[in-house]
Amino acid sequence: NAGVTQTPKFQVLKTGQSMTLQCAQDMNHNSMYWYRQDPGMGLRLIYYSASEGTTDKGEVPNGYNVSRLNKREFSLRLESAAPSQTSVYFCASSDLGLAGPYEQYFGPGTRLTVT
Amino acid sequence: DQQVKQNSPSLSVQEGRISILNCDYTNSMFDYFLWYKKYPAEGPTFLISISSIKDKNEDGRFTVFLNKSAKHLSLHIVPSQPGDSAVYFCAASVSGTSYGKLTFGQGTILTVHP
Repeated sequence: NAGVTQTPKFQVLKTGQSMTLQCAQDMNHNSMYWYRQDPGMGLRLIYYSASEGTTDKGEVPNGYNVSRLNKREFSLRLESAAPSQTSVYFCASSDLGLAGPYEQYFGPGTRLTVT
Repeated sequence: DQQVKQNSPSLSVQEGRISILNCDYTNSMFDYFLWYKKYPAEGPTFLISISSIKDKNEDGRFTVFLNKSAKHLSLHIVPSQPGDSAVYFCAASVSGTSYGKLTFGQGTILTVHP
């Protein structure tokens, strides 16, 4: 039971290059999320997927796209990387019940540098 | 517009003493609150949560207090241990939504000295 896995762990891009960050979870969770963490800013939600087949924008979606490939996998794509997208990216998953939102489980993160 | 704020960027505490981490929120719709702990080069891990129908929740050395009228919550760690040194994030959510979206504070770096 690996929980939430992310690949790659580290990546350096040049401005204008594109890349896809991969995320998978094995907890059978319905909801998945992408965050970025920047110094002094906490974690900010980029996109989320409430369930397979749906995606919605979060707080900072500009410059990103997402794909919920199936229930397990949720990818984040940078079409044309910019230095402002230098950050640590975290994927998370959670399940919801009648009692309300449950805690989210996070992956180990991808450290991205755009030069 | 920062809806969840942790106004202390860092906190230093002696081992064995109490650590108190604070969090304020502005959105009165928030009714579920969580604390996460993060070590360097790892993802955040869930620590403890509280629903707005309660004002206190305990789990071992960790207690979260919620003051709804002040829109304030705090995390108490007693006694503090060096292994508690990490970044602590508070987060808030509105229950009853279909996606469980969390809004995080900026984080507080806790250092526990032996």
